[in-house]
Amino acid sequence: ETGVTQTPRHLVMGMTNKKSLKCEQHLGHNAMYWYKQSAKKPLELMFVYSLEERVENNSVPSRFSPECPNSSHLFLHLHTLQPEDSALYLCASSHGQGEWNEQFFGPGTRLTVL
Amino acid sequence: AQTVTQSQPEMSVQEAETVTLSCTYDTSENNYYLFWYKQPPSRQMILVIRQEAYKQQNATENRFSVNFQKAAKSFSLKISDSQLGDTAMYFCAFMMSFGNEKLTFGTGTRLTIIP
Repeated sequence: ETGVTQTPRHLVMGMTNKKSLKCEQHLGHNAMYWYKQSAKKPLELMFVYSLEERVENNSVPSRFSPECPNSSHLFLHLHTLQPEDSALYLCASSHGQGEWNEQFFGPGTRLTVL
Repeated sequence: AQTVTQSQPEMSVQEAETVTLSCTYDTSENNYYLFWYKQPPSRQMILVIRQEAYKQQNATENRFSVNFQKAAKSFSLKISDSQLGDTAMYFCAFMMSFGNEKLTFGTGTRLTIIP
């Protein structure tokens, strides 16, 4: 596969469940990102990893736990979520350096919390 | 903090016509980058066009062009000869100078191209 892939594409979970979202990039990038996209709101940056180190944590609740085991993979571990956490979660990657630093996005995981 | 405003939640235009999407932003920075991203119904966000703030010349990419007015902090996107495949959400985004990975997005404009 090419580009940025995300699994699963759809996820329904109860508030007591634990689940994980997975992102993989095949672009040789050094930086990876998690965004939350809710209806009628701007994309919200959640986490940034550069060279596998977290460089940004945008005041995200601790029920969201990121993990970046290597530069190609990024996980978002979810536990005891709330219904307001239902949203589209987008992963992105970039070179993390250089003038443009264009971010390439995955297709997203549509999360529904019951 | 930077903010990005897209004042048109929805727009529609006939196929082959020209449409302009507006975007304004607020920053105290002098060097930054601006982007337009497209998110079709399939949801994969893709970059449409980008502009360096220090360049006076407006960026163009085939049918897509921008009108960048730095003093007015305005960054509109013009789509010429619109096609059905242009139907999507369009997001304006801002990034500070080199080395900063944080993109700040607007709320988006839903564009529908009518056959």
